[in-house]
Amino acid sequence: AQSVSQHNHHVILSEAASLELGCNYSYGGTVNLFWYVQYPGQHLQLLLKYFSGDPLVKGIKGFEAEFIKSKFSFNLRKPSVQWSDTAEYFCAVNAYSSASKIIFGSGTRLSIRP
Amino acid sequence: EAQVTQNPRYLITVTGKKLTVTCSQNMNHEYMSWYRQDPGLGLRQIYYSMNVEVTDKGDVPEGYKVSRKEKRNFPLILESPSPNQTSLYFCASSLTNFNEQFFGPGTRLTVL
Repeated sequence: AQSVSQHNHHVILSEAASLELGCNYSYGGTVNLFWYVQYPGQHLQLLLKYFSGDPLVKGIKGFEAEFIKSKFSFNLRKPSVQWSDTAEYFCAVNAYSSASKIIFGSGTRLSIRP
Repeated sequence: EAQVTQNPRYLITVTGKKLTVTCSQNMNHEYMSWYRQDPGLGLRQIYYSMNVEVTDKGDVPEGYKVSRKEKRNFPLILESPSPNQTSLYFCASSLTNFNEQFFGPGTRLTVL
């Protein structure tokens, strides 16, 4: 069965620190990959997505993610975080298969110290 | 304004009392989905719908029903709610299942 793993459950950083959040999935075929963000008290919003082409994708607010097919990974990065990046981040995978399920990871809570 | 709406936003009910959470989108999306969000478990898909009259189970469908009689609406039905269904529920829609999803504001359900 497909699964998505986000190994960092809670990350605490200071402002201006660099960020990398891990995401690994367990499907061997073609996938679409997403990162969503949930700010406190708000609903989920799309940060960025990968469908095909350049494995390095750029999203909103200075975030980027790199798809490494050989590692089944889609890690999220930001060179310098801000206090306003405090949120929960979810990786999601949709596989090109007969099923149309979308699988989310368990989420990573990011806390930024001002 | 393009959006996904859910009602009610908050609901406290008792075990066994049937309830319906409505979901509506105005973007003419084909794919709609329901998720529940629980601490430490992320979002888990309950049911999804590829189009009108086409629905299928997600990862945690037990205790839930859905229907898709119109493209814009995708209600979630709990025939006999139980305390383990206390959760935060999100409805989402997308053009197809391969596109980004747009989420509703969430419904916080408490079953006593």
